[in-house]
Amino acid sequence: EPEVTQTPSHQVTQMGQEVILRCVPISNHLYFYWYRQILGQKVEFLVSFYNNEISEKSEIFDDQFSVERPDGSNFTLKIRSTKLEDSAMYFCASSEGTVVSPLYNSPLHFGNGTRLTVT
Amino acid sequence: ELKVEQNPLFLSMQEGKNYTIYCNYSTTSDRLYWYRQDPGKSLESLFVLLSNGAVKQEGRLMASLDTKARLSTLHITAAVHDLSATYFCAAVYSGGSNYKLTFGKGTLLTVNP
Repeated sequence: EPEVTQTPSHQVTQMGQEVILRCVPISNHLYFYWYRQILGQKVEFLVSFYNNEISEKSEIFDDQFSVERPDGSNFTLKIRSTKLEDSAMYFCASSEGTVVSPLYNSPLHFGNGTRLTVT
Repeated sequence: ELKVEQNPLFLSMQEGKNYTIYCNYSTTSDRLYWYRQDPGKSLESLFVLLSNGAVKQEGRLMASLDTKARLSTLHITAAVHDLSATYFCAAVYSGGSNYKLTFGKGTLLTVNP
């Protein structure tokens, strides 16, 4: 079964450094997402992406964050000047959706996540 | 703003017993999702519930949706150890853009022999 793949599985970085988290969504999916989960807490929406642009973003997704689809397969999340509170598991997801409704009748398929540790 | 509340947050049960996890949401939602997460792993889709009265079953798990009560339930029948995991419900606000899932805090289920 097709799956969403994420690299790296674990990233350790120093505060103030930039990190790029990478994802390869399922090939025929049109909608891409980043969520994060701080240890032991709930999963939080960061951003959704469709047709090469951000379709929605949360208040967490400030100027420190950016997303990009640099080619036909990869989807990246860049965090500039990381802070201690950015430490979390970051999940990429994709959905098939429809033009009318990205989530209609189709669940999000999540990758295995990248555990980001900021020291 | 859509809020999703799950209870209980922690559930310890014996093998063979039945139990229900509840998921309440605060505003109109036109679909409800259940996910399973094993420790350190990704979120695995279990059910997508699209309409009032929807019921879906897979093995020992059954999910239902009551949109009038803004309530979804995940019922576990004759629990087995392999069901130990964290279960999340998530809703989509029907008045919004349809891009965002709002998750509950999750229910950590431990099934003891």
